[in-house]
Amino acid sequence: EDKVVQSPLSLVVHEGDTVTLNCSYEVTNFRSLLWYKQEKKAPTFLFMLTSSGIEKKSGRLSSILDKKELFSILNITATQTGDSAVYLCAVPTQGGSEKLVFGKGTKLTVNP
Amino acid sequence: DAGITQSPRHKVTETGTPVTLRCHQTENHRYMYWYRQDPGHGLRLIHYSYGVKDTDKGEVSDGYSVSRSKTEDFLLTLESATSSQTSVYFCAISVQGPYEQYFGPGTRLTVT
Repeated sequence: EDKVVQSPLSLVVHEGDTVTLNCSYEVTNFRSLLWYKQEKKAPTFLFMLTSSGIEKKSGRLSSILDKKELFSILNITATQTGDSAVYLCAVPTQGGSEKLVFGKGTKLTVNP
Repeated sequence: DAGITQSPRHKVTETGTPVTLRCHQTENHRYMYWYRQDPGHGLRLIHYSYGVKDTDKGEVSDGYSVSRSKTEDFLLTLESATSSQTSVYFCAISVQGPYEQYFGPGTRLTVT
C-alpha cells in the first residue's frame, strides 16, 4: 500500500527562523512528489518534484527530493507569520488515473 | 485560479437524509476528484472521475456515490447521511498534469 509520512506533525517557531519539513514515502512506481500549503481554506499547490527535477525553489521556499532514500524536504528560510499553515506532501498512487495519496501534514506556526 | 466552485459551501443536515454536493469547473479538465478532510486523517480520496460517466472509487468510498454527466460537473451524493460523514469536502481537478491537482474552496458538512 502506498504511503506518505510527514514529520514533525507540528512545529512552532519564531519569525526569522529557518524550518525543515520532512516527507518520506513508499510507493510502488514513483513518478512525482507534490507539496501543498493549506491555510484556513483549500490546499494550494507549491511544488512538484520528479526524477528529472529533484530541486525546486520559489522565494524563501525550496524543496529537494532524494529518490534513493525515498524522502523529500521542504525548507522555509526567514519565516514570516504568513507562513503559518499546514504543509501537505503527496505522491501519485500506483495504477495511474492521477490519484494522489496525502500525508497527514505538518502544522507550522510562526510566532512574531 | 483553476475555475473550480463548490456548492453549497456550508450545510447542516440530519442523520438519514440524502445530501448532494456539487463541484463545477469552467475549463474542461478531464480528471476530477472528491476528498474529505478530517482532523488526524488528512485528505482522503472518496471518488474520482476520468471523464464523463467514468468514475472509480477512492480509499473511503463507502456511503458515497458520484455522477458526472457533463465534463464541468462532478456530483457527490450521500444517500443517507451519518454523523461520521461530518467533514470538510474538497473537490479537485488535475490541471497541468501529471498529478498536479488544484482544489476548490471546500464544503463544510455537518450531520446532526
